[in-house]
Amino acid sequence: DTAVSQTPKYLVTQMGNDKSIKCEQNLGHDTMYWYKQDSKKFLKIMFSYNNKELIINETVPNRFSPKSPDKAHLNLHINSLELGDSAVYFCASSHHDRVGTDTQYFGPGTRLTVL
Amino acid sequence: DQQVKQNSPSLSVQEGRISILNCDYTNSMFDYFLWYKKYPAEGPTFLISISSIKDKNEDGRFTVFLNKSAKHLSLHIVPSQPGDSAVYFCAASGKGSTDKLIFGTGTRLQVFP
Repeated sequence: DTAVSQTPKYLVTQMGNDKSIKCEQNLGHDTMYWYKQDSKKFLKIMFSYNNKELIINETVPNRFSPKSPDKAHLNLHINSLELGDSAVYFCASSHHDRVGTDTQYFGPGTRLTVL
Repeated sequence: DQQVKQNSPSLSVQEGRISILNCDYTNSMFDYFLWYKKYPAEGPTFLISISSIKDKNEDGRFTVFLNKSAKHLSLHIVPSQPGDSAVYFCAASGKGSTDKLIFGTGTRLQVFP
């Protein structure tokens, strides 16, 4: 009955590989997000989708491509992984796209380590 | 450019006492402020929020104070309990639907018996 789930929880891979992180929410929310928490603990938004449409796209390398097959899922695909991509990636969702006032519910995070 | 700053990376408080976590921001256009709590190996969970039209919001043991002129907010936890031990993130956003949440780097609170 997890509200926002992510798989995998841990991901260790070599530089240059392509990997995906999956996110699912069972809250019936319209909006989903991807955040990155780097080694300095900054938690920064990468993307947000509302009803499967991209509404926020931060300055993220185009090696990162989000895919939203439906409202309940927002997957993150990363091509040609680099050392600097090592971080914890959090998925989140909210009822609507009012970023400040709509409570965001976070998944448990995926720790990506690029060797 | 760090628009939301939590200058204390850690705080240690005795059980039963008050915990005060501080947050400063630079963007005067921020309209909404939130605190999130994070346990190890879990995602952040929403704790309490405040709109810029208020200067105080209370929810049980948690109270957030906003001083707009000083661009400063604080979270008070009274009384502190060992289960409050976690990392607390301050976050802020503007009014627009495309405004994003800007997070601070967090303060690790440890409440000891």
